[in-house]
Order: sequence, then structure tokens, then C-alpha cells
Amino acid sequence: AQTVTQSQPEMSVQEAETVTLSCTYDTSESDYYLFWYKQPPSRQMILVIRQEAYKQQNATENRFSVNFQKAAKSFSLKISDSQLGDAAMYFCASSIIQGAQKLVFGQGTRLTINP
Amino acid sequence: GAVVSQHPSWVICKSGTSVKIECRSLDFQATTMFWYRQFPKQSLMLMATSNEGSKATYEQGVEKDKFLINHASLTLSTLTVTSAHPEDSSFYICSPRGGLGYGYTFGSGTRLTVV
Repeated sequence: AQTVTQSQPEMSVQEAETVTLSCTYDTSESDYYLFWYKQPPSRQMILVIRQEAYKQQNATENRFSVNFQKAAKSFSLKISDSQLGDAAMYFCASSIIQGAQKLVFGQGTRLTINP
Repeated sequence: GAVVSQHPSWVICKSGTSVKIECRSLDFQATTMFWYRQFPKQSLMLMATSNEGSKATYEQGVEKDKFLINHASLTLSTLTVTSAHPEDSSFYICSPRGGLGYGYTFGSGTRLTVV
């Protein structure tokens, strides 16, 4: 069974600074994907970044990057130059490639941006 | 990513009545639709997986007779909450299964309040 754990219920950062959100996961599968989703106050789920497990290179999307440590089963999200619009709930999620390809979500981290 | 339309955005109903939530994939044919429930300040929990033309698969602890899912076409899946009670008040979100490598998209969600 897959599990995803986010140990930081809340985080805050000063505008323009950098923040890192933590995520650990567990799976016995070798082929899987990892994702970070953002849920702003509108509650619309927005894909931030994705990582394929077999790719060693860390994914990046503009100000967002991940630190993927496969052996440690760690998948942290780094947000650089934080902006007020980054304030939201952030969910880490995983899915194995085999079977139904269901997403399993972590508990979420609420990120606050201080002006 | 796929474009998903979910309606209604919010609904208030009386205890004992039924409510239908629609989820349409607008730009591709969704053979599989995931339905999630999100209680306040909690993560998304998968309720069921609907498959076009066949019976839905429900997660453990989800009452299939209470949460009726119909996936009669490749573009429309519906979730009906039957005999709703206040404890069914929650945020319901649909997500069609597309290419896992692209990350899934989500409907805008339905806030259900049962009074």
C-alpha cells in the first residue's frame, strides 16, 4: 500500500524568501509518479510539479523545484522568491503506474506568506 | 491538462433528500473518474473510482448504497448522495484519469451542506 506523509501542518515565509515543504512516501513499487498540488482558498486543485520516479534529475517549474531522494523516499518542494499568491494548502501525492493509478495524498501543509 | 466541469459549485439540501453532482470532461474521453471527499482542514480522500459502462469501485468504508455513481458516457460521471445527513456535509471533487505522466486535473468541487 502507498502512504504519503507531510509532517509540517503549517509553514510561513517572508515574501521573496525561499521555503521548503517536506514530504515522505512509502511504496513497494518501482514505477511511480510523485506530485505536488496547490489548493488556494478557492479550493481548486492545481498541479504544481511532477516527478517520475525513474528520473534521477529533479523536476523544476519556474520558481518551484523538488529534491527527490529515492532511496530515502523523500520528495520535498522548494519555492523560491515566495509571492503572496503562493499562499495555499500544498498536498504531496503519489501514484503507482500499475493498476488503477489512484492518487494518494498527504495530509497537507498550509503555507502562509508574510508581506 | 484535461478540462473538467463540475456542477453545482455549492448546494444546500434538507436532511433526508438526495443531491446529484455532475462532472464533465470537456476535451477528452474519460473512461475512469475518481471521486474524492474533503472535510474541512483535511486532505482529499478517495471515495470511489467510476468506470464508463461498468460498476464503480468503492474505497473501504464508503457506503455504495449511499453514494451512487453513474458513469454512463465517456464525458459525464455523476455522484448522487442519497438520503443525505448533516455528516455528509463536505467538499466533493471529481478528477478524470488521464495520462498519469501529465498529472491529473480536478473539477472545481462541490460544497454540500445538509441542514
